[in-house]
Amino acid sequence: KQEVTQIPAALSVPEGENLVLNCSFTDSAIYNLQWFRQDPGKGLTSLLLIQSSQREQTSGRLNASLDKSSGRSTLYIAASQPGDSATYLCAFQTAGNKLTFGGGTRVLVKP
Amino acid sequence: EPEVTQTPSHQVTQMGQEVILRCVPISNHLYFYWYRQILGQKVEFLVSFYNNEISEKSEIFDDQFSVERPDGSNFTLKIRSTKLEDSAMYFCASRPWGASSYNEQFFGPGTRLTVL
Repeated sequence: KQEVTQIPAALSVPEGENLVLNCSFTDSAIYNLQWFRQDPGKGLTSLLLIQSSQREQTSGRLNASLDKSSGRSTLYIAASQPGDSATYLCAFQTAGNKLTFGGGTRVLVKP
Repeated sequence: EPEVTQTPSHQVTQMGQEVILRCVPISNHLYFYWYRQILGQKVEFLVSFYNNEISEKSEIFDDQFSVERPDGSNFTLKIRSTKLEDSAMYFCASRPWGASSYNEQFFGPGTRLTVL
């Protein structure tokens, strides 16, 4: 059974600092992983998708890496802004269609 | 940009009542999903739906739950007799046709269900 863990659970940084969010998983037989952003009481916004054959994916200030051998993915957010404050979720898709989610990292970027 | 929509945004019901949560997936997508998130907990998979039938369901998705695609656009989740523990945010998601590894799932804004 796929288990997904996100550490830390919460993170507070001053504006401009780079963010590093970690996600670990137990089943290396993944199809892909997605990183999502969730604002309080809101839905899930897809940020990046990394296929199992890829090592990383970039979109603007966001970069996500995938290391299947160590069971880890990392989301980097460069030059953080107060608008980046949200909860960030990672989710893995293994055999079948469903996504298995981590518990999220709650990020606060202070002006 | 196309998006998944859900109605209502908030539903309040009495325990034991039936509720129907509605979703309109992105128009050219063929795979549909329901997930839920109990307050303070992880997002959990409920069910996936393809070609007018359930392709996978979780242990949570018991006989009290059902899904339907009544027409070409809507995708619904019905809870027959709600319990207090069904209170959660319910998310609908959809994915295009094609290999799972290449397609991301797109989520709707969610319906907050409160069972009193």
